[in-house]
Amino acid sequence: EPEVTQTPSHQVTQMGQEVILRCVPISNHLYFYWYRQILGQKVEFLVSFYNNEISEKSEIFDDQFSVERPDGSNFTLKIRSTKLEDSAMYFCASRRQVGSNQPQHFGDGTRLSIL
Amino acid sequence: GQQVMQIPQYQHVQEGEDFTTYCNSSTTLSNIQWYKQRPGGHPVFLIQLVKSGEVKKQKRLTFQFGEAKKNSSLHITATQTTDVGTYFCAGPRISRGTYKYIFGTGTRLKVLA
Repeated sequence: EPEVTQTPSHQVTQMGQEVILRCVPISNHLYFYWYRQILGQKVEFLVSFYNNEISEKSEIFDDQFSVERPDGSNFTLKIRSTKLEDSAMYFCASRRQVGSNQPQHFGDGTRLSIL
Repeated sequence: GQQVMQIPQYQHVQEGEDFTTYCNSSTTLSNIQWYKQRPGGHPVFLIQLVKSGEVKKQKRLTFQFGEAKKNSSLHITATQTTDVGTYFCAGPRISRGTYKYIFGTGTRLKVLA
């Protein structure tokens, strides 16, 4: 069964540095998402992306964050200048088509640790 | 903004006991999805409910969508150690023609053998 893949599985970065988290959504999916989960807490929506543009972003997704789909297969999340509170698990998800009755498929996540 | 709350936050049960988690939305939902996240894992889609009052079963799991489409429940009969994890409900919100899902606060289930 096709999967969403994320790399790296774990990223350790100094505060203030830039990080890029990578995701390869399922190939025929059209809608892409990034979520964040701080340890032991709920899954928080960051951003949704469709047709090469952001559809919606949350309050968490400030100017330090950006997303890109540079080559038609990868979907990246960039954090420009990381802060300690950015430490979390970041999940990428994709969904096939329009309509709310389609499940999201999640990747295994990237654990981001900011020192 | 739209909020989705779940109770209880944690539940410890003896293997073989039943378990129920409740999900409440501040707004009416067009549908609701349930996900399971094993410790250290990612959310995995379990089921979607669409109709008012709908009940669906998956083996020992029973999902229900409230008549007002603002609440839902997941009931597990005779829990097993493989049921351990956090169960999230998620409700959609449409924005600019696309959907995003608001996840509930989750219920963490621990099953004691």
